[in-house]
Amino acid sequence: RKEVEQDPGPFNVPEGATVAFNCTYSNSASQSFFWYRQDCRKEPKLLMSVYSSGNEDGRFTAQLNRASQYISLLIRDSKLSDSATYLCVVNRKKSWGKLQFGAGTQVVVTP
Amino acid sequence: EAQVTQNPRYLITVTGKKLTVTCSQNMNHEYMSWYRQDPGLGLRQIYYSMNVEVTDKGDVPEGYKVSRKEKRNFPLILESPSPNQTSLYFCASSLTGQNYGYTFGSGTRLTVV
Repeated sequence: RKEVEQDPGPFNVPEGATVAFNCTYSNSASQSFFWYRQDCRKEPKLLMSVYSSGNEDGRFTAQLNRASQYISLLIRDSKLSDSATYLCVVNRKKSWGKLQFGAGTQVVVTP
Repeated sequence: EAQVTQNPRYLITVTGKKLTVTCSQNMNHEYMSWYRQDPGLGLRQIYYSMNVEVTDKGDVPEGYKVSRKEKRNFPLILESPSPNQTSLYFCASSLTGQNYGYTFGSGTRLTVV
């Protein structure tokens, strides 16, 4: 079983709609969680960190559920520019340098 | 401008010819890391470094070497490249690696023939 798993999608979303997707992680020792976005084989860019209490950044909301070992990302009022692959990243204490990436969830926002 | 700089962006080489991909960051970050990305496999970590002279293996270190003699630089060395090392490579750095995300370089597309 992969340490970090994501639904590959694609999630086809009409412009203006809301889309949400999850990422599950297998190691209960995981401490830090992040969402990155990656456009078509360009470098991943940090979208947001995910905090225990959940956090919001504009149209993006991230949640962490430690009991069920998943994090989620919700995008409200989707824009065409939100089309990308969203990568879930997990980090473990005592091994802060060793990141585990999910394979990514593709989101396609259509006019 | 705060950034991670990788060179070269594109490289075609022949099997067995040693090569080095350079990575430099100007943010005084402690952590640096190398990844390769292949279709269907996502990003896989090759090596990472927590500080000068401190490095450790990631998930796919075979066939690669790294060094961290200065805080800003973290070169990736392929002593004897093989075609299965054809991939898109990313270098990344982070302030502390704990709750800070990583900043990625623009990538190096390597083809080994």
